[in-house]
Amino acid sequence: DTGVSQNPRHKITKRGQNVTFRCDPISEHNRLYWYRQTLGQGPEFLTYFQNEAQLEKSRLLSDRFSAERPKGSFSTLEIQRTEQGDSAMYLCASSSSPPQGPDGYTFGSGTRLTVV
Amino acid sequence: DAKTTQPPSMDCAEGRAANLPCNHSTISGNEYVYWYRQIHSQGPQYIIHGLKNNETNEMASLIITEDRKSSTLILPHATLRDTAVYYCIVRVYTNAGKSTFGDGTTLTVKP
Repeated sequence: DTGVSQNPRHKITKRGQNVTFRCDPISEHNRLYWYRQTLGQGPEFLTYFQNEAQLEKSRLLSDRFSAERPKGSFSTLEIQRTEQGDSAMYLCASSSSPPQGPDGYTFGSGTRLTVV
Repeated sequence: DAKTTQPPSMDCAEGRAANLPCNHSTISGNEYVYWYRQIHSQGPQYIIHGLKNNETNEMASLIITEDRKSSTLILPHATLRDTAVYYCIVRVYTNAGKSTFGDGTTLTVKP
């Protein structure tokens, strides 16, 4: 297992277009998280899943954002009608519940979105 | 989750110890202190965590005050590759739910 994988690493899109990001967690992890990080700030929580159930959503997750984890494995984050304010790094993390290992919470390298 | 406060930036000479402070005055009894670091264009990387005892691993040491209201991450011999943003967060271990990050401390290790 090579850790949490996110694709694409970079995405440039025009304002108003829809974009979709994918996250493949560590295979034995049942929890998956999405965070957003803007320049100079720490990651902000967006949502998380346990298996295929979406257990919590942040108020940051507007109606234009939707996340899915259809079979409890990989997850997708879609942003509809992108705005320039959506430009950020989108980070995915996974963990097991109960946690395993020293931390049991592993981040991917993120997808950097630029809306022009 | 409790909030944490950290200085926005610190410098350290290469080869010297880097001591990064964190305040978490509203920490609950069942919350652990976690430290992560983030190198440019990568996701946060776990460093160390602790509940109330001091902890040490191959990367760093964590000193937690007796009242648990603050902690210090110690990188004993900082190298240029330790230049990164360091985040201190608190989280209930068994919950392993969302994490609340502040803006962290940017550590610059200088030759």
